Amino acid sequence: KQEVTQIPAALSVPEGENLVLNCSFTDSAIYNLQWFRQDPGKGLTSLLLIQSSQREQTSGRLNASLDKSSGRSTLYIAASQPGDSATYLCAPSPTSGTYKYIFGTGTRLKVLA
Amino acid sequence: EAQVTQNPRYLITVTGKKLTVTCSQNMNHEYMSWYRQDPGLGLRQIYYSMNVEVTDKGDVPEGYKVSRKEKRNFPLILESPSPNQTSLYFCASSPQTTGPYEQYFGPGTRLTVT
Repeated sequence: KQEVTQIPAALSVPEGENLVLNCSFTDSAIYNLQWFRQDPGKGLTSLLLIQSSQREQTSGRLNASLDKSSGRSTLYIAASQPGDSATYLCAPSPTSGTYKYIFGTGTRLKVLA
Repeated sequence: EAQVTQNPRYLITVTGKKLTVTCSQNMNHEYMSWYRQDPGLGLRQIYYSMNVEVTDKGDVPEGYKVSRKEKRNFPLILESPSPNQTSLYFCASSPQTTGPYEQYFGPGTRLTVT
């Protein structure tokens, strides 16, 4: 069964810092991996989707990488802003033979002005 | 606008009173899914559906039912709600032809069972 771990669980940084959020998963037979942002009490907003054939995906100040063989993905946020404060979740796709999604418990980010 | 909608957004009910949370998507997606989110436990999948009349259990299906009679709708049914089903519920959909693709989430339904 897929297990997803996100480290760190919480992070507090001053505005302007570059930061890296980590996601690791145990079953590497995934089709893709999706990063989400969630504000308190709100829904999930998709940030980036990396296909298994890609190694990186970029959107603005966000860059996500995927290393399937080692079961890792990282989300890099450049020049962090207070508006980036949220919980970030990763979700590898179901692996072959199953259609269940397993989410990480997330990294709660706070960017201080 | 492409979206996943859920109703109601907020619901307070009493133990044992049957309820249904509706979910609808307008993107012609094959795959639909329900999740619950609880503090410290993250998002956990309740049920999912690969297509019309095809449903299967996720990790926490106990106490829930689903049906998929139309492609666009995937209601979540709580036949006899209990306080431990108090949670934030999300519906999601995804195109699913040759493999799992990007998931789109609804805004969430906050359920309180007293």
